[in-house]
Formats: sequence, structure tokens, C-alpha cells
Amino acid sequence: EIVMTQSPDTLSVSPGGSATLSCRASQSVSTNLAWYQQKPGQAPRLLIYGASTRATGIPARFRGGASGTEFTLTISSLQSEDFAVYYCLQYHNWWTFGQGTKVEI
Amino acid sequence: EVQLVESGGVVVQPGGSLRLSCAASGFTFDDYAMHWVRQAPGKGLEWISFISWDGGSTYYADSVTGRFTISRDNSKNSLFLQMTSLKPEDTALYYCAKDSVYMDVWGKGTTVTVSS
Repeated sequence: EIVMTQSPDTLSVSPGGSATLSCRASQSVSTNLAWYQQKPGQAPRLLIYGASTRATGIPARFRGGASGTEFTLTISSLQSEDFAVYYCLQYHNWWTFGQGTKVEI
Repeated sequence: EVQLVESGGVVVQPGGSLRLSCAASGFTFDDYAMHWVRQAPGKGLEWISFISWDGGSTYYADSVTGRFTISRDNSKNSLFLQMTSLKPEDTALYYCAKDSVYMDVWGKGTTVTVSS
């Protein structure tokens, strides 16, 4: 089983600032990596797939990156609606989520 | 608009059974594989099951193998999850999700509580 480890668990950021979230895979997943945003009481929303391709309607301030088994989600110019929990998902071998990173004010 | 609506979640006793449903609309249902994903209260997301477009291939997480069965009825644009031998640790919000290799569209979920 591929284990996905996200860091940090919680990230405190000021509105207008930027946030960099990390996700590490226990083995190669190529670029078969997606990022989701989940707000309280809502279903997850797809942000990024293929490690760096934004889903339809996702603003350009969300950027996905990859280096080997390390993946990043960078959110720039944080807006109030961006404060949420973010999950990575590997779909290279079955499907495994990271434990999530909470982005808070 | 692509829409997924789950139903069937209730409070059930340990050892009991339950069938969840997911009604799909806004896309050609039988063109796509589907998933079930769950989220225990205050916890993260856990993939639990996959079914191919025609129902010919099904996969399960170890945590539910042998107890849960995924199925679909393409004539009714519906996805199902038959859950048996339920345990308290199965308590969660259960989401159905459309597959595009990853999950691209999610329903709002249905809550299953396993408690005596």
C-alpha cells in the first residue's frame, strides 16, 4: 500500500499571504496525484490532478508541483474562502489519501 | 449539471446491514466508473470501493473486504453499497464519487452511524 504523508497538519496563514502544503508518497506515484479542498460541512472539491493541472474553474492562485515523490500545493494571495482542509490523493496504485492539512487564519 | 445524491444512511446496530444508494444525473452514467469514499467524524478521507463502468471489476479497501459489496444499475443511473457485519468503526459520512482515474465529482454524502 502506498502511504501518503501530508505536512504540516495545520498551517496558520494571514489573508493575502501564501501557503505551501506538502505531500510525500512512500513510493513512486509518477504524477498520479490530485489535491482536494474540503470546507466544513461540504464534500471535497477537486483542485488539481496530474500533480499540476488545475481542474475546471479553479483559480490560478492554486498551483501544484512535483519533485520525485514530493508534491506541493501552493496557494498564493490567500482569500477567506481558501481557509479549509486540503487532501492529496494518489491514484497510481489503487487510491490513497493523505491525512489532510488544515489551513487556518 | 453533474450531480450525485447519496441516500440510505441511518443508525444501525453493530452486526447489522445497510444498503446505500447514489443517484447520478447530468452525465452518461454508464461511461464512468464510480467510487465510494468515507469520512469518520472529525477524520480524513478513506477510499473504500471502486466499480468499473459495466460492473465487471470491483475493488475494496482491506477495511471493508468481505463485508461490503459495491454494485450498480446503469439502467437506473444508480450506484449501491451493500454493507454487512457493520462495526462501530464503520460510522462515517459516505460519499459516492465519479471516476476520472481520480475522483472528480462528489456527492454531499449520507451518514451511517453504527451504535447500540
